[in-house]
Parts: sequence; structure tokens; C-alpha cells
Amino acid sequence: DVKVTQSSRYLVKRTGEKVFLECVQDMDHENMFWYRQDPGLGLRLIYFSYDVKMKEKGDIPEGYSVSREKKERFSLILESASTNQTSMYLCASSSLPYEQYFGPGTRLTVT
Amino acid sequence: KQEVTQIPAALSVPEGENLVLNCSFTDSAIYNLQWFRQDPGKGLTSLLLIQSSQREQTSGRLNASLDKSSGRSTLYIAASQPGDSATYLCAVQTGANNLFFGTGTRLTVIP
Repeated sequence: DVKVTQSSRYLVKRTGEKVFLECVQDMDHENMFWYRQDPGLGLRLIYFSYDVKMKEKGDIPEGYSVSREKKERFSLILESASTNQTSMYLCASSSLPYEQYFGPGTRLTVT
Repeated sequence: KQEVTQIPAALSVPEGENLVLNCSFTDSAIYNLQWFRQDPGKGLTSLLLIQSSQREQTSGRLNASLDKSSGRSTLYIAASQPGDSATYLCAVQTGANNLFFGTGTRLTVIP
């Protein structure tokens, strides 16, 4: 079974803090993704990576950056957290035929 | 841009009923279509993946169909159970890194 894990289920941070969300997959997938999910807006892609050290912006990259130093690990970084970044963050990975496997999610609250 | 619609937004059925969830998409040039289940506060669980060359996939009590020409997919759940209560999301993939989600159908199966 594919397993995608995320470092925290719940996280509370203060405005202006630097926040790291980590994601690890154990299936040697090339592609990894970060989404956020908000009521009424559905899932929106923040960033994706198709190889180590490679990244591309998704639909809503503003205020976020990512890091992929190893194939199995993809980190999402909030450089200076703001209240409008309070959300559920979901990591996913995929390989051919591109079926995406999701982690359990991190519910981030920024106060 | 691809748009994915799921109607209805919410559905309640008595236990034991067979039911159909609908998904429509605007651009038929898709790579695959995936159905997910999401329990409250949790990540997404992949249920079925239908490649663009396929017309249906089955897993246990679940059957998903795909009609690319009309831009429609259905998820059929047989003999529904209270444990099937969740939000069901469909997503269409137009490339390795382009996955477009619907906003989901929230299903409640009443014992």
C-alpha cells in the first residue's frame, strides 16, 4: 500500500511565524503535490514537484515556497504566516498512470 | 480551463439503497478521472481511477463509469451502508500535474 504521511495533524501558529509542513511518501513516486482545501473553494494546488530539486507553481503559490531535497520528502514553507493561510493542507504523490495518493492532512490555524 | 461539477452537493438515503453520484467536466481531453472519499477532517482516499481509454471500473460495491464525449462520470454505490457516509470527490487529470477537483457530494446514509 502506498503511504503518504504528513508531519502534523493539527498545528497552531502565530501571525508572522515561519511554518514548515513536511510530507513523506514511501512509494518512490516522482511527483509530489501540496494542496489547500477550504470550504466552498474545494482543493487548490499550491505547488508541485516532478523530481528532486524541481518545482513548479500551482494555482495559488503566493505566500508559500517548497523544498524537495530528497525524492521521498516534499516540504511546504510559509515564510511569514498570515491568518488567511488558516486551512487544511493536503500532500499527495503520484507516478504513472498518475493516480494521486493523499496524506491525512494538516489542519493549520494561524492566530 | 477545466471545470468539474458535482450535483447534488448533499444527498441523504436510507441504508440499503443503491445510489448514483454524478460528476461532469467541461473539457473532454482528459488523461484519467479519479473518485475519492473524504471523511470529516481527514485526507482523501482514492476509490477508483478510470483511464481515458476505459469506460468503467469496479471495486466491491462501487462502480464508476466514464463517458468522455459527454463529459460525465457516475459513481454507483450498491446496497449503501452507514459507513459509506462521507464526502465523495471526483477529479479529472489533464496532464501529469493537472488535477481538477469538483467540490464534492456529501453523502449521509441513514440507519
